[in-house]
Amino acid sequence: GENVEQHPSTLSVQEGDSAVIKCTYSDSASNYFPWYKQELGKGPQLIIDIRSNVGEKKDQRIAVTLNKTAKHFSLHITETQPEDSAVYFCAASESGGSYIPTFGRGTSLIVHP
Amino acid sequence: NAGVTQTPKFQVLKTGQSMTLQCAQDMNHEYMSWYRQDPGMGLRLIHYSVGAGITDQGEVPNGYNVSRSTTEDFPLRLLSAAPSQTSVYFCASSQPGLGDTQYFGPGTRLTVL
Repeated sequence: GENVEQHPSTLSVQEGDSAVIKCTYSDSASNYFPWYKQELGKGPQLIIDIRSNVGEKKDQRIAVTLNKTAKHFSLHITETQPEDSAVYFCAASESGGSYIPTFGRGTSLIVHP
Repeated sequence: NAGVTQTPKFQVLKTGQSMTLQCAQDMNHEYMSWYRQDPGMGLRLIHYSVGAGITDQGEVPNGYNVSRSTTEDFPLRLLSAAPSQTSVYFCASSQPGLGDTQYFGPGTRLTVL
């Protein structure tokens, strides 16, 4: 089955800095890579995703990159703000297959004002 | 749309007690899943369903039962609660072919004494 590794487990940055979270996956059949943000006391919510036919995707201050050859993908947050503080999860799944995603263990991002 | 709803939000059980965690979605999604979230362990899949009448085991199914009699509802049953089942439980739904996004409920925090 799929195995997703996520690093780092904790990331502390100053407001305005950039933050990068990295994930690797094992199953070459995976072709859908979403990122979820979980705020305290809430369920995870999708913030951005990327499919295997695309190398990079941006949405304002958030971007995701994918390297299919190396089987890794990353989340980049620029100009971080205190409200970006949350737990972030990466996931991998086979769209068109089982659809059930495998999640990484999460990264706790802390943005200091 | 209410999205994915879960009840109760909090629950305390004694070892050996049974209970059902409720999950409902009003988006007509085919897929529904149950996850547990423990510190440092990320989101681990307990059981999932790809449609009414169809369920399957995830990564950590022991001690839990599910059924899916309708598209909307996907209850999770703990037959004999154990302290190891102390966790936060999330229900999620998704619709294959419509983006694969998982929509999570707000979670149930369960403590087993």
